Amino acid sequence: DTEVTQTPKHLVMGMTNKKSLKCEQHMGHRAMYWYKQKAKKPPELMFVYSYEKLSINESVPSRFSPECPNSSLLNLHLHALQPEDSALYLCASSQETSGDTQYFGPGTRLTVL
Amino acid sequence: RKEVEQDPGPFNVPEGATVAFNCTYSNSASQSFFWYRQDCRKEPKLLMSVYSSGNEDGRFTAQLNRASQYISLLIRDSKLSDSATYLCVVITTDSWGKLQFGAGTQVVVTP
Repeated sequence: DTEVTQTPKHLVMGMTNKKSLKCEQHMGHRAMYWYKQKAKKPPELMFVYSYEKLSINESVPSRFSPECPNSSLLNLHLHALQPEDSALYLCASSQETSGDTQYFGPGTRLTVL
Repeated sequence: RKEVEQDPGPFNVPEGATVAFNCTYSNSASQSFFWYRQDCRKEPKLLMSVYSSGNEDGRFTAQLNRASQYISLLIRDSKLSDSATYLCVVITTDSWGKLQFGAGTQVVVTP
């Protein structure tokens, strides 16, 4: 089973709202990732967690705050977003961060009004 | 220069035909190579890893040429369901799993 789940599927929020995106995997993977994808562009890496510790932050604005409560869960907390943050947010996981295959969740389509 | 480059297409392919396209990478420290397919408004899904000796999965064949730093994907007997964007993905040594994506090659299979 190579399933990564994400909730919600769709999210519409105002610029003053606080919301969270959730990601879960039960493959025993120790690396988890957040990506942002705009239309007709490839995914852009935001954060990498390895063994529940943040190992990469690709200079993401602080209005995006990741959290890894345990080895199966990854959250992305959103606050004071801008309309240009509207995108597909993808979670992925892999066995380790050493070149292993990454498996993507279905994504959360976020619209910021 | 981008680290991973692909012809964006679209490649318009009659059903049943063969289509092939390449992806070039610039970093010689690249260690792992993949093809993902992505349907419109969906997540990328792993199509196949690419091994040094080349590998085949049904109608799909992937090749790696380290000397010239490119990988290729060939699709035989194209089906309508093969219409998608194919993303070339490269991982370099010590990159902490950071995927380098190509911009994607769009394939449109027509009846």
